[in-house]
Amino acid sequence: SAVISQKPSRDICQRGTSLTIQCQVDSQVTMMFWYRQQPGQSLTLIATANQGSEATYESGFVIDKFPISRPNLTFSTLTVSNMSPEDSSIYLCSVPGGLSYTFGSGTRLTVV
Amino acid sequence: ELKVEQNPLFLSMQEGKNYTIYCNYSTTSDRLYWYRQDPGKSLESLFVLLSNGAVKQEGRLMASLDTKARLSTLHITAAVHDLSATYFCAVDDGLGAQKLVFGQGTRLTINP
Repeated sequence: SAVISQKPSRDICQRGTSLTIQCQVDSQVTMMFWYRQQPGQSLTLIATANQGSEATYESGFVIDKFPISRPNLTFSTLTVSNMSPEDSSIYLCSVPGGLSYTFGSGTRLTVV
Repeated sequence: ELKVEQNPLFLSMQEGKNYTIYCNYSTTSDRLYWYRQDPGKSLESLFVLLSNGAVKQEGRLMASLDTKARLSTLHITAAVHDLSATYFCAVDDGLGAQKLVFGQGTRLTINP
């Protein structure tokens, strides 16, 4: 299965600023997925990132707030823009691999 | 809209006991996944169940799938402390986009 390097692992940010999270995969993948896990909650899909096309966002998530880049088949970034304390969560990227999905190590974001 | 429900959401049990976590989903799906998450960590794939009647076992954990009942179970046999974690089931939305919908998670605590 694929190996994902996700950065940063954690950050504390001021409200109103933006943070960009990176995921690097050790193999080429068509789809990459970005999830949010709010404290004590399950995972919610933010968007699907395909190389060479616009990301597809789930209900409740918009591009202005969570812009995504997918410049090639091994890399993607998610930006959390104009942050507020409600954005404090763990953000994870994921790719299909074999029969299952592999997840990055996660970015724990705290907005103060 | 696909919904995935787990129960119980919290489970505290003694070492050596057996217990079962249930995962119900609302629409037809071909694939069901079980993941483990330790505190502050990412998700670790446990099982992928691909067909009706599928049963997978690894150590003290056994997962099964009944697609007609839209039900999966994760059975823990003779629990040990190391199995303390949060367990998530997830279902492929079946629409070809390879999106996973997660259950709420079951936080399992195993006491000596």
